[in-house]
Amino acid sequence: GDSVTQMEGPVTLSEEAFLTINCTYTATGYPSLFWYVQYPGEGLQLLLKATKADDKGSNKGFEATYRKETTSFHLEKGSVQVSDSAVYFCALSDVTNAGKSTFGDGTTLTVKP
Amino acid sequence: DTGVSQNPRHKITKRGQNVTFRCDPISEHNRLYWYRQTLGQGPEFLTYFQNEAQLEKSRLLSDRFSAERPKGSFSTLEIQRTEQGDSAMYLCASSPNQGPFEQYFGPGTRLTVT
Repeated sequence: GDSVTQMEGPVTLSEEAFLTINCTYTATGYPSLFWYVQYPGEGLQLLLKATKADDKGSNKGFEATYRKETTSFHLEKGSVQVSDSAVYFCALSDVTNAGKSTFGDGTTLTVKP
Repeated sequence: DTGVSQNPRHKITKRGQNVTFRCDPISEHNRLYWYRQTLGQGPEFLTYFQNEAQLEKSRLLSDRFSAERPKGSFSTLEIQRTEQGDSAMYLCASSPNQGPFEQYFGPGTRLTVT
């Protein structure tokens, strides 16, 4: 079945540092890939998405590129802010699988001033 | 568009009791999903509706769990004879009928079984 593996956390960075959170996936079909973010006390919300190989999703300074050859979708941001402190989830969904999503276990990011 | 709403936000119940949660999806979304999330884990799929039809159920969904979406709008998730292992955050999400099926999540219902 489908699966998503994220780098283990927690990750602690200083403000303005570069962020990478690794994500790799296994899927039998041709999934769409997502990053969701959960800020403290809030629900999950979509951060960015990519629907096919070599697509780059971007939002709020975050980027991730759909790499089919390495089955990866790593999240990057060039300069993190304290307000980026949250839990980040990598996920995939597959139209052949009812569109339900398979999630990684999440990576907690803390950004210190 | 007011987003996905869930009620109640918190529920504390004693083992053996029945509980019911409600989810109101984004009005134009045909697809509705239920997930369960425990501490330190990502959401795990429980069940999926397209309109009023329940099209898939996870093996995680034991016979004590039942979900409905009677008119293709709101959905309910009932847990009968709750067990301590049912303690978790129950998440509802909806998605558009076409496209990559990104999920729009509600705030969740946190269930504690004592």
